[in-house]
Amino acid sequence: AQSVAQPEDQVNVAEGNPLTVKCTYSVSGNPYLFWYVQYPNRGLQFLLKYITGDNLVKGSYGFEAEFNKSQTSFHLKKPSALVSDSALYFCAVRDKDMGRRALTFGSGTRLQVQP
Amino acid sequence: NAGVTQTPKFQVLKTGQSMTLQCAQDMNHNSMYWYRQDPGMGLRLIYYSASEGTTDKGEVPNGYNVSRLNKREFSLRLESAAPSQTSVYFCASRRTSVDEQFFGPGTRLTVL
Repeated sequence: AQSVAQPEDQVNVAEGNPLTVKCTYSVSGNPYLFWYVQYPNRGLQFLLKYITGDNLVKGSYGFEAEFNKSQTSFHLKKPSALVSDSALYFCAVRDKDMGRRALTFGSGTRLQVQP
Repeated sequence: NAGVTQTPKFQVLKTGQSMTLQCAQDMNHNSMYWYRQDPGMGLRLIYYSASEGTTDKGEVPNGYNVSRLNKREFSLRLESAAPSQTSVYFCASRRTSVDEQFFGPGTRLTVL
């Protein structure tokens, strides 16, 4: 079985400050990890993914995420937050060694960036 | 290139009514998915289709049926709607080569 935990329902940060949105995962094999963002009344948009290789993954809009196998974490980060980053963020996992291709999503973290 | 489209955008049903949610993609993707999104629960997989002609149950399939009509279209049917099916429904398709899912804009369904 595969699962994802996003321990924070909401993260508040001031514009210009660094932000971190936390994600931990559980899979029986090796993970494929993803971050998606959802703006109000919109579908999810892909931000970045970890498949293999470098533990620091860079994605869209200046976001990056660090894969930590020992801590089974994949936290999303950005050095300087913008008000326009305010949205709902989802972490997702897929077990690379399982045949099924569907993702398991976390419950989401709402990021609020204050001006 | 419209990506993933869903119809309708909004729908209100009475308990026991039936309806079909439509989804189409123009990206020539093999895999398509139906999710529901409920507050505090993220997205949960209802059904998916790895390729034309195949469908498989996801995490929460009860009360739903699907049809993969062709490579482009993947519909979700509620035969007898229940208030517990009030949710936002998202369709997605996957580009195999980069393992990335593309989502439609969603259908907001209310069952009274």
